[in-house]
Amino acid sequence: DAGVIQSPRHEVTEMGQEVTLRCKPISGHNSLFWYRQTMMRGLELLIYFNNNVPIDDSGMPEDRFSAKMPNASFSTLKIQPSEPRDSAVYFCASSYLAGGNEQYFGPGTRLTVT
Amino acid sequence: KNQVEQSPQSLIILEGKNCTLQCNYTVSPFSNLRWYKQDTGRGPVSLTIMTFSENTKSNGRYTATLDADTKQSSLHITASQLSDSASYICVVTFKAAGNKLTFGGGTRVLVKP
Repeated sequence: DAGVIQSPRHEVTEMGQEVTLRCKPISGHNSLFWYRQTMMRGLELLIYFNNNVPIDDSGMPEDRFSAKMPNASFSTLKIQPSEPRDSAVYFCASSYLAGGNEQYFGPGTRLTVT
Repeated sequence: KNQVEQSPQSLIILEGKNCTLQCNYTVSPFSNLRWYKQDTGRGPVSLTIMTFSENTKSNGRYTATLDADTKQSSLHITASQLSDSASYICVVTFKAAGNKLTFGGGTRVLVKP
């Protein structure tokens, strides 16, 4: 198994531009999580899906952030418009069930907004 | 509020030596406690997972302990290797938080030859 796949691995964009991060979970997993990691705040859960349905988006910082999961094998996290404070590493993780079961993390997308 | 605190923030050890990382959490009950290893530039990878009733779990040279009474966990690394240089993150799943993961700030370990 290839594990969780994220793209791009690195993204540099200018303030105000739209950014789209992509994730392909491990085949067969039915929960997907988006995290953000910064030096100051560590790892933070942004949103998670069960069976393609958003369950908890309380961690999404503001309306500029949105996430979709159109099918079991693909999810996107979009930031529009982006701001310099959005610079961070964004991780996607997947598991069989939310919370209690093992989460497998992707390699992350390092986002830099200038 | 559910919180997970780790100490120290960072440490340097010589190759071959042992070290112990600490994790304290507030609020219970919890579902499980995990230790993750995160290499630079990569996603976290699970080392151990313990439920409330378990007090020790090993994975090779990594041994995690859990004291549910004092709400403390530790991760012991035996005979450290250069490849152990990484951040180690304590993660607690609190039942009261809908089984979402709560992450500690991590301990950055540097193993020197």
